[in-house]
Amino acid sequence: GNSVTQMEGPVTLSEEAFLTINCTYTATGYPSLFWYVQYPGEGLQLLLKATKADDKGSNKGFEATYRKETTSFHLEKGSVQVSDSAVYFCAPHQGYSGAGSYQLTFGKGTKLSVIP
Amino acid sequence: SAVISQKPSRDICQRGTSLTIQCQVDSQVTMMFWYRQQPGQSLTLIATANQGSEATYESGFVIDKFPISRPNLTFSTLTVSNMSPEDSSIYLCSVLLAGRTDTQYFGPGTRLTVL
Repeated sequence: GNSVTQMEGPVTLSEEAFLTINCTYTATGYPSLFWYVQYPGEGLQLLLKATKADDKGSNKGFEATYRKETTSFHLEKGSVQVSDSAVYFCAPHQGYSGAGSYQLTFGKGTKLSVIP
Repeated sequence: SAVISQKPSRDICQRGTSLTIQCQVDSQVTMMFWYRQQPGQSLTLIATANQGSEATYESGFVIDKFPISRPNLTFSTLTVSNMSPEDSSIYLCSVLLAGRTDTQYFGPGTRLTVL
């Protein structure tokens, strides 16, 4: 099955700082890759995704590039805001296995706090 | 995307009781899932909710503890039975939408505290 290694938090940054949250994965085949975000007290929201090698997912100023050679999907943002304070989860998706089980493996999450 | 609602949004329950959580989606759905997020932890898949048949449980989860129903394509319930404080978690419903089966979308979650 899949596994995910995500940068340990918490991460504290000042507003307008550059953000990188590292994510590497192991998987059989060629998974799709996702970043989800969980704002305080809320459920998970899809932030961005990439479905094949060299694809770049982007949303709300965040970007991540599917690097097959390094099995990585690092999340970046050039200038963070206080409203970006949340927990970020990296998740490879192996796809529907056909056996009634869906393999979406989450990383442990990285808590980001942005201070004014 | 779609609107995924869960009820209740939060609850505080006594040990030994049971709570049923509902998940309703406003779009056509191919698959529905239930996850648990223990305090400060990542998400763990409990089971896949199958329409008209028994749910498919992941290792470590059993039907007697987490019975699941899915009477139609857009509605499912998860019951947390005979609760203990260790069941205190956020329970999240997620779905694959018809025509968009490459992405899981999540409900807002149900925050459960067991005393």
